[in-house]
Amino acid sequence: ETGVTQTPRHLVMGMTNKKSLKCEQHLGHNAMYWYKQSAKKPLELMFVYSLEERVENNSVPSRFSPECPNSSHLFLHLHTLQPEDSALYLCASSLMVAGGLTDTQYFGPGTRLTVL
Amino acid sequence: RKEVEQDPGPFNVPEGATVAFNCTYSNSASQSFFWYRQDCRKEPKLLMSVYSSGNEDGRFTAQLNRASQYISLLIRDSKLSDSATYLCVVNADSGGGADGLTFGKGTHLIIQP
Repeated sequence: ETGVTQTPRHLVMGMTNKKSLKCEQHLGHNAMYWYKQSAKKPLELMFVYSLEERVENNSVPSRFSPECPNSSHLFLHLHTLQPEDSALYLCASSLMVAGGLTDTQYFGPGTRLTVL
Repeated sequence: RKEVEQDPGPFNVPEGATVAFNCTYSNSASQSFFWYRQDCRKEPKLLMSVYSSGNEDGRFTAQLNRASQYISLLIRDSKLSDSATYLCVVNADSGGGADGLTFGKGTHLIIQP
């Protein structure tokens, strides 16, 4: 077990729905991440939160909205998604070390999202 | 532009054989290097970090060549359970700001009985 949990594990939604993905880490880490993994593509970093502040947003469309209420929880709010947004969404956490370098990342099991 | 390149494979290798694959990275400022393993429909899990001096963990050996900007992974006496996708991961120091990791597409390894 990785100590990072994600819910739901599977989600099917229509393009007009609003849903949220949840991630929780029990490792005492202070940085959390959202990644998107599509078929035959490398993991794409979406958002980075360090000490509960968003520090990176890699040109992600506004239909994805992250929220980090505390260092243990991370949400990804979804609305008006497109079929091409169907993918595995992975949450990860790590411990920020001196110099801003990230330490080893621990991944949750992911949410497999299908947009109809 | 950050890039990490890997041969996607698949590498079909008989059980007990030794297999090696490389990964190249384009950002010369990269500071940390890792190999992750991802089983089918599962999340990536850290296999090992890669240090400048090279490091070994049981049957696995990782090496870093900064001059040529590549890292390698060697698996000796391969087991059926080694079948997975191996992700090369590189982290560049963004000058003090938090940064995520850059993942390669992965190399698919199939160990055959």
